[in-house]
Amino acid sequence: QKEVEQDPGPLSVPEGAIVSLNCTYSNSAFQYFMWYRQYSRKGPELLMYTYSSGNKEDGRFTAQVDKSSKYISLFIRDSQPSDSATYLCAMGVQGAQKLVFGQGTRLTINP
Amino acid sequence: NAGVTQTPKFRILKIGQSMTLQCTQDMNHNYMYWYRQDPGMGLKLIYYSVGAGITDKGEVPNGYNVSRSTTEDFPLRLELAAPSQTSVYFCASRGTEVSNQPQHFGDGTRLSIL
Repeated sequence: QKEVEQDPGPLSVPEGAIVSLNCTYSNSAFQYFMWYRQYSRKGPELLMYTYSSGNKEDGRFTAQVDKSSKYISLFIRDSQPSDSATYLCAMGVQGAQKLVFGQGTRLTINP
Repeated sequence: NAGVTQTPKFRILKIGQSMTLQCTQDMNHNYMYWYRQDPGMGLKLIYYSVGAGITDKGEVPNGYNVSRSTTEDFPLRLELAAPSQTSVYFCASRGTEVSNQPQHFGDGTRLSIL
């Protein structure tokens, strides 16, 4: 079983839709959780991070963590064509030097 | 405001050739990482470094070598290239000892082994 599982998609939705991206994990030691966005032919860039269960909101983006279920989500409201990218979840343990990444979900927002 | 710079952007190698992928950062970050990204497989850690002179293996180190003689540079060496090493390679850096701080990525090197 992989430590982090993420549906690779691809996911295609119309502009303005609410998008839900999800990851599950098996290692209960993970303490912090990140979402990276990767545009085509570019490196990943940090979008959001959190280290507690619950919701964290930043503009149109909401990161949700449920440690009891080992499940994290990223919600995108009022999706825009500029949100079209691959989204990678990542997680780690405090004091460890490494992140564990999900497989990435390729998202396309259609005008 | 360069951040993490990777060269070359693209390269085609023949089986058995060797090459060095260059990575340099101008943020004075101690922590640097090399990943490979294959379609639908996410990012796999190859090697990482916590400072000049210190390197350690990641998840998929076989067929690769690294060195870290300066804070700025972290080259990745491929010896005896194999088709299985066809991938996109990303270098990343992180500044602080606090492990939950974000990694900053370069734009990758696309490598094909034929």
